[in-house]
Amino acid sequence: NAGVTQTPKFQVLKTGQSMTLQCAQDMNHNSMYWYRQDPGMGLRLIYYSASEGTTDKGEVPNGYNVSRLNKREFSLRLESAAPSQTSVYFCASSGPTSPNEKLFFGSGTQLSVL
Amino acid sequence: AQSVTQLGSHVSVSEGALVLLRCNYSSSVPPYLFWYVQYPNQGLQLLLKYTSAATLVKGINGFEAEFKKSETSFHLTKPSAHMSDAAEYFCAVTSSNTGNQFYFGTGTSLTVIP
Repeated sequence: NAGVTQTPKFQVLKTGQSMTLQCAQDMNHNSMYWYRQDPGMGLRLIYYSASEGTTDKGEVPNGYNVSRLNKREFSLRLESAAPSQTSVYFCASSGPTSPNEKLFFGSGTQLSVL
Repeated sequence: AQSVTQLGSHVSVSEGALVLLRCNYSSSVPPYLFWYVQYPNQGLQLLLKYTSAATLVKGINGFEAEFKKSETSFHLTKPSAHMSDAAEYFCAVTSSNTGNQFYFGTGTSLTVIP
């Protein structure tokens, strides 16, 4: 019973490099999310996917792209990393579609952009 | 639009003392409210949630929160703090008209003094 799995756990990039953060859930949830966590700013939503085949922007989507590959997987891509994207990234899922369902979080990816 | 405000980014209590973490919300429709806890280097875990049933909600580890519509508040309390309660606490809100988006507060770091 893995829940939400994120990879990698740590990553260091140089400015301008690209990378993809992977996320998978095994709970048959419809909704998946990507958040970033910065000191003093709480969690801010980057993108979310309410169901397979759909994605929507959150509060801070600039510089990111996402892919909902199937019901299980939701990836986050940084095409050209910038120091401002240094953060801790969390993937989460919830289901079924009711908004009162709780979020299940992955353990996070600590990303540093030099 | 929805939002939550957590008053006090850092709270310190003595072991055995009352824990009170404050959360005020803003929502134009009936909200669903959540408290999450984050231990160091981990993802967030649900403590408790309010979904329009009883206004006093009991969660895990002895925590509870009371929904007060007149005060637009959802404060988290625990009668007697334990060393293991030291963590970051986040309040979050969602509703039926937010497209499955959850909005988080900026967090409160709880320190328990022995």
